[in-house]
Amino acid sequence: DAGVTQSPTHLIKTRGQQVTLRCSPKSGHDTVSWYQQALGQGPQFIFQYYEEEERQRGNFPDRFSGHQFPNYSSELNVNALLLGDSALYLCASSPELRAYNEQFFGPGTRLTVL
Amino acid sequence: GEDVEQSLFLSVREGDSSVINCTYTDSSSTYLYWYKQEPGAGLQLLTYIFSNMDMKQDQRLTVLLNKKDKHLSLRIADTQTGDSAIYFCAEILFEGGADGLTFGKGTHLIIQP
Repeated sequence: DAGVTQSPTHLIKTRGQQVTLRCSPKSGHDTVSWYQQALGQGPQFIFQYYEEEERQRGNFPDRFSGHQFPNYSSELNVNALLLGDSALYLCASSPELRAYNEQFFGPGTRLTVL
Repeated sequence: GEDVEQSLFLSVREGDSSVINCTYTDSSSTYLYWYKQEPGAGLQLLTYIFSNMDMKQDQRLTVLLNKKDKHLSLRIADTQTGDSAIYFCAEILFEGGADGLTFGKGTHLIIQP
């Protein structure tokens, strides 16, 4: 089992550009959540996808959007990048039916906006 | 306050016990979690506790929950150099079946030889 995988591992963009980050959930998991972790901070919840729909959203602007595919993999898109979007973006997956909601995290994508 | 709060740093001697504290925000939180993050890595779930419990022990880890004060603690017995990491407290409030986690800023655990 490969666990949660994310690509790319690192990315450098300039202000105003757009970026797409990808996530493949752990085998058997159908729910994907995205988090932003700025340097020295805890992860902040961006949104969660289940059955190809956004089910819950944190306090992030519409520049942040996502998608979930029929195979449960997911993309995070960020438009009009700002310097403040520089962070580690973490994807977490979980099974819909769960006892205690363990979310398995991937290693993250480090985004640098110049 | 509105944030999950943790002390930023904790320094302990190898072999001693480490106690990491957290104050969470919502007395209705269903589950509370402790995650560990090592440099350059994602987050690893260490343990969790359901809100109707006061204590949970799992090998070297002991979680204590004080719902009245919204206080959560993680005790690591016999702290080893491999325990050096950032520890995050997180809470969840199930709403409409969705379950985004709310994290603290993390406590850096530093192990002295």
